[in-house]
Amino acid sequence: RKEVEQDPGPFNVPEGATVAFNCTYSNSASQSFFWYRQDCRKEPKLLMSVYSSGNEDGRFTAQLNRASQYISLLIRDSKLSDSATYLCVVPYSSASKIIFGSGTRLSIRP
Amino acid sequence: EPEVTQTPSHQVTQMGQEVILRCVPISNHLYFYWYRQILGQKVEFLVSFYNNEISEKSEIFDDQFSVERPDGSNFTLKIRSTKLEDSAMYFCASSSDRAPEAFFGQGTRLTVV
Repeated sequence: RKEVEQDPGPFNVPEGATVAFNCTYSNSASQSFFWYRQDCRKEPKLLMSVYSSGNEDGRFTAQLNRASQYISLLIRDSKLSDSATYLCVVPYSSASKIIFGSGTRLSIRP
Repeated sequence: EPEVTQTPSHQVTQMGQEVILRCVPISNHLYFYWYRQILGQKVEFLVSFYNNEISEKSEIFDDQFSVERPDGSNFTLKIRSTKLEDSAMYFCASSSDRAPEAFFGQGTRLTVV
């Protein structure tokens, strides 16, 4: 299994739709997980942190399944501004090595 | 809001030349990172730095690369004898010891010609 693996996408959904992304990781010792978003030619920006079974912030919900080594991100009532690449991020070796998935591209259409 | 700053935003260099990319991490952060993103590809880990030494490095981070924290605020990435394939966006990031979330600078776009 790759260190961090994501659905490649692209996902193209209408405004207002609900969309979910999946991510699997290989290191069973990882304790924390993150979702970042990256706009075209910009830096990754932290979207959500996941330390326990899940986290919710407005329209965004992240869930963690440690047994399956699987993280998901759910976006409800999607907006045009949600169009971006979503990156699953897993720290290895404590905080010494933070590994990014290849990203899932999301495009919201009017 | 504190942020990571990187300079320059864009660097053009001739193949074979040395470049130094500069970063000022968030002031109370203790972990520093360099990442590379070739256009259209994933964000790749290069190196992490903690307590004035390298903590981890990837297979990409070979003898061509070095990092330094020359003073209390700057964190630099030196690339010696640049190659065409070094052309990429280079991101610096930092995190605190209390929370591993990494915050990224806006990147330096390196173009080797």
